[in-house]
Order: sequence, then structure tokens, then C-alpha cells
Amino acid sequence: DTAVSQTPKYLVTQMGNDKSIKCEQNLGHDTMYWYKQDSKKFLKIMFSYNNKELIINETVPNRFSPKSPDKAHLNLHINSLELGDSAVYFCASSQYLGGQVNTEAFFGQGTRLTVV
Amino acid sequence: AQSVAQPEDQVNVAEGNPLTVKCTYSVSGNPYLFWYVQYPNRGLQFLLKYITGDNLVKGSYGFEAEFNKSQTSFHLKKPSALVSDSALYFCAVIPRPGGANNLFFGTGTRLTVIP
Repeated sequence: DTAVSQTPKYLVTQMGNDKSIKCEQNLGHDTMYWYKQDSKKFLKIMFSYNNKELIINETVPNRFSPKSPDKAHLNLHINSLELGDSAVYFCASSQYLGGQVNTEAFFGQGTRLTVV
Repeated sequence: AQSVAQPEDQVNVAEGNPLTVKCTYSVSGNPYLFWYVQYPNRGLQFLLKYITGDNLVKGSYGFEAEFNKSQTSFHLKKPSALVSDSALYFCAVIPRPGGANNLFFGTGTRLTVIP
């Protein structure tokens, strides 16, 4: 069983469209994340979310919004896509227990988004 | 300010030789430190972490890393490199555990093991 799964694996879309990337984890973790990896392989946190709070990286445009229907899912919705949004987006999860990072973060396989 | 630095974009090593991938951090307090590996067109795989305790941490696939607080370093090492170790390696830090626990990554080091 895949611990953290993302769909789709590849997404090609036109500028101005709205798209969503889905993420599911079956690890029972209470915290999920979205990371962006650009063309130079730099990785940056976009969001972290658990059942208590959403932490948004202030550099992320408000066209990006995480949506969590339940603890096992954190989807990424993107409005009005731009060319610069082209990147690989990784979902991850970990367990947060009373201030301690109990486990390392587990990552999905990534979604390669190409905006044309 | 960048929390973690990987000074080498590329490291080449002959198969069977020891390898070192360098990482330094620049956060105060007691950060959590991690190493991840990324194979082509794949997600990140966890290798090892330092939280507290013994400064020498052993991880997956024979890798280990040594936490050095005075030098603020967390270099990744392996005694004998394999061709299959060729990949992109990321050092990462959680600067203030207990908060958002977001990982801040270094810029990555591409390791090539030459047969």
C-alpha cells in the first residue's frame, strides 16, 4: 500500500485554468503538507495543516488554497494558473504529538504540473 | 535567511570509496535535522534524522550522519559507495520543533557514483 499518494502524476493545462491535485495518506498522521519543487530542484514549503491550524507560507499566492475534507486528505486547488506555476508539487505527512516530531515526513511521488 | 546550506551542487565518487555529502545549518536552539534522497522522477525518501542523543545517526541503505553542534554541521556519509546511490540528496531542518514542523530544505547535492 502506498503511504502517501497523489493524483494525478502529470498535469498539463492552459494558463488561466483552475486545477486541483489530490493527496491521501493512510499512515494515520495528523499533519499534512504541500511542497513545491521548481525547475532547479529547490524545495519549499507551501502549507502545513493539521486539524487545529493551517500554516501558510506567506510567499504563496492566494491563488493556491489547500482543502482538507478529513484528516487523511489534503488537496491543493490552484486558480487562474500561470506559467510560473509549472513545477513538481509534493504532498507529505507526519505525526505531531505535543510539540514533538514523532516521525519523519513521508512524501508522495509528486505531481508534475505544466502550464502552457 | 537560509536555514540550511549544502555547499556542493555535485559530488562525484568512485564505487567502493567512502562518500560525504556536506550540510550546515544556521538556526539557533535545537533544530531537528534530516536527510532525504530523491531518485529521478520519484518522491523524496527519508534516510535518517537527528533529534537528540548520540551525535552519530545511522539510517537506511548504510548511510550515517554526524551532528556537530559546534560546527553546525550534519554531513551525510557512507563507508563504501554503490552505483545505485547515485541520486539527489537533500538536507533539511525543522528550525523550531513544536510549531508548524515544516521542513526547510537545502538546495540539494547530486551524487554520482562512478563504476
